[in-house]
Amino acid sequence: AAGVIQSPRHLIKEKRETATLKCYPIPRHDTVYWYQQGPGQDPQFLISFYEKMQSDKGSIPDRFSAQQFSDYHSELNMSSLELGDSALYFCASSLPLRNEQFFGPGTRLTVL
Amino acid sequence: AQKITQTQPGMFVQEKEAVTLDCTYDTSDQSYGLFWYKQPSSGEMIFLIYQGSYDEQNATEGRYSLNFQKARKSANLVISASQLGDSAMYFCAMREMDSSYKLIFGSGTRLLVRP
Repeated sequence: AAGVIQSPRHLIKEKRETATLKCYPIPRHDTVYWYQQGPGQDPQFLISFYEKMQSDKGSIPDRFSAQQFSDYHSELNMSSLELGDSALYFCASSLPLRNEQFFGPGTRLTVL
Repeated sequence: AQKITQTQPGMFVQEKEAVTLDCTYDTSDQSYGLFWYKQPSSGEMIFLIYQGSYDEQNATEGRYSLNFQKARKSANLVISASQLGDSAMYFCAMREMDSSYKLIFGSGTRLLVRP
């Protein structure tokens, strides 16, 4: 069965650089969520999209932005990276009116 | 205020035995959903089981069952016949049925299955 695809799987950046993380949801899933999991922490919600529109926003820094495209894939853009941005970034997707959120494998971002 | 509480940072269980991972939650909503996810050392988040607040029966998925006690606001995960591959971090999460569908996670329980 198709799963959520995230790319890249690993990313190393320097401070103050920018990064773009991509998420391809499971086919027919129209809702995408982004979560950030710091080392030894639980995942924290960043932002979500439903039918290409932002549906909710969590503790996402102003340096981050995201969007969902017409093919439902989503990108998380991160600028002026800080050491504290080093984390595992998950994308999850779900069907409309369904409860289960299926997570991608995550992108591990390391900021040096 | 912490919405999801997992009081067991780590647990051991003998292979083939059953284990219960605790989860309590706090919400004033009448409609909500409770989830359990497994995170192996490789990092991915694997959906295990879901329980809706209006579901009268406890959810079951294979070796996983959810002991849902609404009055106590608890949603414990029971893993039967533990296997070595069950060693992982387990997260309890809640989704409140307001306009937001985000998941709120607990701090997790690390389970180690002993051979």
